[in-house]
Amino acid sequence: AQSVSQHNHHVILSEAASLELGCNYSYGGTVNLFWYVQYPGQHLQLLLKYFSGDPLVKGIKGFEAEFIKSKFSFNLRKPSVQWSDTAEYFCAVILSGGYQKVTFGTGTKLQVIP
Amino acid sequence: DAGVIQSPRHEVTEMGQEVTLRCKPISGHNSLFWYRQTMMRGLELLIYFNNNVPIDDSGMPEDRFSAKMPNASFSTLKIQPSEPRDSAVYFCASSLGRALTEAFFGQGTRLTVV
Repeated sequence: AQSVSQHNHHVILSEAASLELGCNYSYGGTVNLFWYVQYPGQHLQLLLKYFSGDPLVKGIKGFEAEFIKSKFSFNLRKPSVQWSDTAEYFCAVILSGGYQKVTFGTGTKLQVIP
Repeated sequence: DAGVIQSPRHEVTEMGQEVTLRCKPISGHNSLFWYRQTMMRGLELLIYFNNNVPIDDSGMPEDRFSAKMPNASFSTLKIQPSEPRDSAVYFCASSLGRALTEAFFGQGTRLTVV
């Protein structure tokens, strides 16, 4: 069965620090990859997505993610975080084909200190 | 489109009572997902439907939980009888259920069982 691993459960950064959140998935076939963000008290919203093409994907609010197929990874990055980026971040995978089930990682809580 | 609509937004009930959560997916979406989010266990997939048919209910915690999707525009998640450990935020999400699409989440129902 497919699975998604997010190894960082809780990250604390100061404003202007650079961010990288890890995401690894376990499936050898073609995948669609996503990062969702959940601000405190809100629902999950799509941050960015990768389907094909350029493995470096740019999303909203200055976030980007790089798909490295050989490493089964899709890490999220931002060069300079802001206090407003405090949220929980979820990596998700959909296998191409079949029933398109969305599998989420366990999430990483990011706390940005002013 | 109004997005995925969940009701109620908040529910407080006494232990032993039946609770019904409702979800209206985005029109045209044929996959629907129910998730539960708690501090302890994070985001858990409970069940997902494709074309109104339950495809995977392995995440449903026990027989007290049941979900239905009588038609393409409505789904329910029922807990009977409810227990304090069921307290969580329950999210419904929908997607087009095919490649190159993402899941869209509702605002969630915050359930408190006292």
